[in-house]
Amino acid sequence: KAGVTQTPRYLIKTRGQQVTLSCSPISGHRSVSWYQQTPGQGLQFLFEYFSETQRNKGNFPGRFSGRQFSNSRSEMNVSTLELGDSALYLCASSLGDRGGGYTFGSGTRLTVV
Amino acid sequence: DQQVKQNSPSLSVQEGRISILNCDYTNSMFDYFLWYKKYPAEGPTFLISISSIKDKNEDGRFTVFLNKSAKHLSLHIVPSQPGDSAVYFCAASYMNRDDKIIFGKGTRLHILP
Repeated sequence: KAGVTQTPRYLIKTRGQQVTLSCSPISGHRSVSWYQQTPGQGLQFLFEYFSETQRNKGNFPGRFSGRQFSNSRSEMNVSTLELGDSALYLCASSLGDRGGGYTFGSGTRLTVV
Repeated sequence: DQQVKQNSPSLSVQEGRISILNCDYTNSMFDYFLWYKKYPAEGPTFLISISSIKDKNEDGRFTVFLNKSAKHLSLHIVPSQPGDSAVYFCAASYMNRDDKIIFGKGTRLHILP
């Protein structure tokens, strides 16, 4: 079965711009979570969507937002990009239980210049 | 405030020997723990999990031990193989609250020939 698909894989943006990242979960998975990975901070939780509703939110500024569509696909948006937003953004999907943990996509590498 | 701590950024182990990766947590409300493995340019993959009602869970070469009184868990890999070289993330969640998973910063494991 298809895994979690994230697009694009790589992205270069300039400061002040905004960016939208996309995540298609495994078929049947209704929960989609977003994480930011940086070398110094590891994996940090951004937010989680379940059935088109944001169910959890991490400690990121309001410039980071997301949404989930009726087909469970999710998008993450970052506005007014800062250099510190350069990171690997990972999306993970799950059924909503914890039997097998989450399945992650390969991520989108965002570079802000 | 880091709730899940992996205090060793890196670890080198001889091939065939035992690898022990450690993880500490501060929140006694965590009741489900997971380990993920990550190769470069790929998303993390689920490895093994343990519920707080257990103190050990084994899956092939991988065993996770949980010491609730010490708020400590460890991942044992026996015997270590070259393909085990990766970054390992410890993670914790609240099973009865929400789906948010808190990750540690990761430990890079190097398996030496």
